[in-house]
Amino acid sequence: KNQVEQSPQSLIILEGKNCTLQCNYTVSPFSNLRWYKQDTGRGPVSLTIMTFSENTKSNGRYTATLDADTKQSSLHITASQLSDSASYICVVSGLTGFQKLVFGTGTRLLVSP
Amino acid sequence: SQTIHQWPATLVQPVGSPLSLECTVEGTSNPNLYWYRQAAGRGLQLLFYSVGIGQISSEVPQNLSASRPQDRQFILSSKKLLLSDSGFYLCAWSRGETYEQYFGPGTRLTVT
Repeated sequence: KNQVEQSPQSLIILEGKNCTLQCNYTVSPFSNLRWYKQDTGRGPVSLTIMTFSENTKSNGRYTATLDADTKQSSLHITASQLSDSASYICVVSGLTGFQKLVFGTGTRLLVSP
Repeated sequence: SQTIHQWPATLVQPVGSPLSLECTVEGTSNPNLYWYRQAAGRGLQLLFYSVGIGQISSEVPQNLSASRPQDRQFILSSKKLLLSDSGFYLCAWSRGETYEQYFGPGTRLTVT
């Protein structure tokens, strides 16, 4: 069964600190993996997207890594800001012939002052 | 640039009442369109997707339906809402040849 599991479920960090969110998936075959940021009550916004040949991609203070062999990804946030408080969702796309995505349940991050 | 709109933003409806949520996309043509539902504490669930006018595929059997009367308009409907239909409904679009999906602002539906 195609699944995406994220950890931790929730995380609280102090402003200015770094953190790393984890994503493990069982989707096969694999096409790409993306990380989304979702503010409360809003639609998800894409942070990064990586194909199987890419093992790291950055977007400002966000850096995603991908290990296609172990089927793991991480999202590292550097020098966190209050505005980073949100849910971070890992999404994996399989080769289904259509753009169907398997969503993780997300990690809820709270950055406190 | 492309934009995606959804309305209403919030909706409170009694059980058994009908539903109509609308999504429109601007700035692109022939997009793939999607309806997702996000229940509290759960991941997004794909409900419907469409690759063109009048072409609808359903992922989950339920009392919801979708229609695409125009190229950039996607409508989610129900004849009779259930309590379990409560959730956050998201519309998304993508270009046919790329993987990126862009989400709308969402509609918070509460069925009472």
